[in-house]
Amino acid sequence: GAVVSQHPSWVICKSGTSVKIECRSLDFQATTMFWYRQFPKQSLMLMATSNEGSKATYEQGVEKDKFLINHASLTLSTLTVTSAHPEDSSFYICSARGQGAQPQHFGDGTRLSIL
Amino acid sequence: DAKTTQPTSMDCAEGRAANLPCNHSTISGNEYVYWYRQIHSQGPQYIIHGLKNNETNEMASLIITEDRKSSTLILPHATLRDTAVYYCIATPYDSWGKLQFGAGTQVVVTP
Repeated sequence: GAVVSQHPSWVICKSGTSVKIECRSLDFQATTMFWYRQFPKQSLMLMATSNEGSKATYEQGVEKDKFLINHASLTLSTLTVTSAHPEDSSFYICSARGQGAQPQHFGDGTRLSIL
Repeated sequence: DAKTTQPTSMDCAEGRAANLPCNHSTISGNEYVYWYRQIHSQGPQYIIHGLKNNETNEMASLIITEDRKSSTLILPHATLRDTAVYYCIATPYDSWGKLQFGAGTQVVVTP
């Protein structure tokens, strides 16, 4: 149980385009979803937290207009990297958590490369 | 959230128990200890969590000291597939449940 699916697994785009990443909880209702970013040889950095039907809460230093998060249902959250540039190239990972004292479960990540 | 301290790396022999320490001397009464691991180029995998009692599941055991200032994750029979970075995180359970990842311990299981 507790499967989180993330799509796409990897994407290569030209600079200036926008990229959308989907995160789905397949077998549970995710009241809270999280988005992380991980640069090579570094640990995961939390970008934002979202509750279903509410606006996302962004961590300090994360541009909310750059990284648009939508959590429209209890099983789906999307992260849109707007006007992506090479410095946005990274490994983006989502996680989801159900109600109660449930741990976060993670997707397999999306490797984003901006040329 | 309480800061956690883990060794940078550990080597373990295949088939033997792997004992991964974590220090969280400033942990608060409402903070749980979570363990995750990340195999290269994948998302983190949840292993186990606990508050003050020892916990066991199909993957591992978690031993928390009585004063809750440290804990040990035990992989009973390490396999090559257990090679990963292991993260120990102390965080309060609340409606947010945010996790702040540190550097973790790079565990290498050798034949």
